[in-house]
Amino acid sequence: EPEVTQTPSHQVTQMGQEVILRCVPISNHLYFYWYRQILGQKVEFLVSFYNNEISEKSEIFDDQFSVERPDGSNFTLKIRSTKLEDSAMYFCASSLAGGGDSYEQYFGPGTRLTVT
Amino acid sequence: EDKVVQSPLSLVVHEGDTVTLNCSYEVTNFRSLLWYKQEKKAPTFLFMLTSSGIEKKSGRLSSILDKKELFSILNITATQTGDSAIYLCAVGFGGSNYKLTFGKGTLLTVNP
Repeated sequence: EPEVTQTPSHQVTQMGQEVILRCVPISNHLYFYWYRQILGQKVEFLVSFYNNEISEKSEIFDDQFSVERPDGSNFTLKIRSTKLEDSAMYFCASSLAGGGDSYEQYFGPGTRLTVT
Repeated sequence: EDKVVQSPLSLVVHEGDTVTLNCSYEVTNFRSLLWYKQEKKAPTFLFMLTSSGIEKKSGRLSSILDKKELFSILNITATQTGDSAIYLCAVGFGGSNYKLTFGKGTLLTVNP
């Protein structure tokens, strides 16, 4: 069964460093998303991406964050200068459509980011 | 202000019990409600509901949506220890279908 994959599973970085989290969405999906979950808190939406551009972003997704689909399979989240409060589990998700019956989003296993 | 509220926050049952998990929402321009099961890491998709009164069923799990009263329930019959997980409710609403807003989840523990 097709699945969303993410690498690395765990990333430790120092405050101020740049990190890139990688995702391979399900191959025929067209909509891509990043969410994060701080330990013990809700899953929070960061950004959605369709047709090579951002469709929607939350207030969390400030200028430190960027997303890219550098080729036909990868979808990346870059944090330019990490802060301690960026420590969280980051989930990538994809869906076939943005609405209707094929809207369900499938999540990857997550990347645990630890900023020290 | 929470838009998606789940209850109870945690629940402990014995194998074989039936459980009902609740999710209420208060949003403008509702699009869909989704249930996920979260074990160690990734939320695993269970159901997506868009229409009132139509039950979705998969094995021992079922779910229904009430758009008038703004809630959904997830039922699990004959629970097994493997059902132990956090069950997440998420709602898509507003001008865009794209994002989901999650509740805090219900932690279900099924004891043998």
